[in-house]
Amino acid sequence: KQEVTQIPAALSVPEGENLVLNCSFTDSAIYNLQWFRQDPGKGLTSLLLIQSSQREQTSGRLNASLDKSSGRSTLYIAASQPGDSATYLCAVINNAGNMLTFGGGTRLMVKP
Amino acid sequence: SQTIHQWPATLVQPVGSPLSLECTVEGTSNPNLYWYRQAAGRGLQLLFYSVGIGQISSEVPQNLSASRPQDRQFILSSKKLLLSDSGFYLCAWSGGGVQETQYFGPGTRLLVL
Repeated sequence: KQEVTQIPAALSVPEGENLVLNCSFTDSAIYNLQWFRQDPGKGLTSLLLIQSSQREQTSGRLNASLDKSSGRSTLYIAASQPGDSATYLCAVINNAGNMLTFGGGTRLMVKP
Repeated sequence: SQTIHQWPATLVQPVGSPLSLECTVEGTSNPNLYWYRQAAGRGLQLLFYSVGIGQISSEVPQNLSASRPQDRQFILSSKKLLLSDSGFYLCAWSGGGVQETQYFGPGTRLLVL
C-alpha cells in the first residue's frame, strides 16, 4: 500500500527566504506526482504535476523535482512571500490506477 | 472553462440525521469524479470515485454512500450520521483518461453534533 509522508509538518520563515518542502513515497511504481496548495477552509489548487519520466517541473517561483527511484520529491519555493502561506500537499498516482494518495501536508507560514 | 461546484458550503447536523452533499461539474463531459474527506489534523482520504454514471467504487468501509445520477453530478449521502463523520468533504474531477490532473471543488465543512 502506498504511503506518502511530508516533512516538515509545519514551517515558519521570514519573507524572502528560499525554502524546500519534502515529500517521500514508499512505492516507486508511480505514474505521476502532484503538488497542491490548500488555503484554510478552501479546496485544493494544483500547482505542479510531474510525470514519472520527468525529473522536474517549474512554474514561476516554484520548482518541483522528482527522484522516482528513491521515492522522493521536493518543492522549492524561491523568494517566499506572505501570500505563499498555505498548506502544501503532495500526492502520487500509482501505475495501478487513477487514485491519488496524499501526504499529510506541510503548513507554511511566511512572515512579512 | 471547467468549473466544479459543491453545496452546501457548511453544514451542522445532529448525530443520526441523514446527509446529502452535492457536487456538479460544468464544462466537461464524462469526467472521473471523486469524493475525499479531510478530518481535522489528518490528510485527505479518498472515499469514493466514479468513472461513469451509476459506476461507484468505494475505498473505505463506512456509513457513507455515493451516487452518480447524471454524468456531471456526484452525491455523497448517509442515512445516519456519526460524530466521526465530521470533516471537510472535497469533490474533485479529472479527465476521462486515467492518471490525469484532478481539480478540486471548494469543499463542504460538515460538523456532526
